[in-house]
Amino acid sequence: DGGITQSPKYLFRKEGQNVTLSCEQNLNHDAMYWYRQDPGQGLRLIYYSQIVNDFQKGDIAEGYSVSREKKESFPLTVTSAQKNPTAFYLCASRELGASAGYTFGSGTRLTVV
Amino acid sequence: EDKVVQSPLSLVVHEGDTVTLNCSYEVTNFRSLLWYKQEKKAPTFLFMLTSSGIEKKSGRLSSILDKKELFSILNITATQTGDSAVYLCAVEGQEYGNKLVFGAGTILRVKS
Repeated sequence: DGGITQSPKYLFRKEGQNVTLSCEQNLNHDAMYWYRQDPGQGLRLIYYSQIVNDFQKGDIAEGYSVSREKKESFPLTVTSAQKNPTAFYLCASRELGASAGYTFGSGTRLTVV
Repeated sequence: EDKVVQSPLSLVVHEGDTVTLNCSYEVTNFRSLLWYKQEKKAPTFLFMLTSSGIEKKSGRLSSILDKKELFSILNITATQTGDSAVYLCAVEGQEYGNKLVFGAGTILRVKS
């Protein structure tokens, strides 16, 4: 079945560590997105990519980095520069120009300990 | 800056009640407005609205868009406990990346 897979589902990080969240899709979608969700704040865009080897900063990119070496994969690294990384992270993909919304992964809950 | 505001922020109703969730927006070059239901993890797609005044329906859920007044409503009739979720509204403008801007969501709890 086609879909988006995020891993891990839960992640614990010590302060000062970098961690990488995985996002893989087999929908052949061109565009991929990373959102962060905090209680009461909805989803905020971190980074997005429309094509391989190209990506753009979203509204809250500071402290995060991404890569898009393959169409299927869009990993997100939460660096030690991100001051408040504890949140729920959602990856999404979309076929450009399609009259449908995003397809979301099931999310990764990151906790700093 | 594009903005989406949802109201109410939370709502508690009894089974069988009808609820109306609101979404107002400001976006440059509006392209579409989308509603999602989020129960625990991944938001699931409900509706995409692009034209004013045309109601979209799916079972007990319906939604309509008013592009002149810049808002949309999501109606749920005969609510059930399974409708308990966070309902997210998002808008898309016609700019690079087809990004969605999300509202904070409405938390709906349906009591039996």
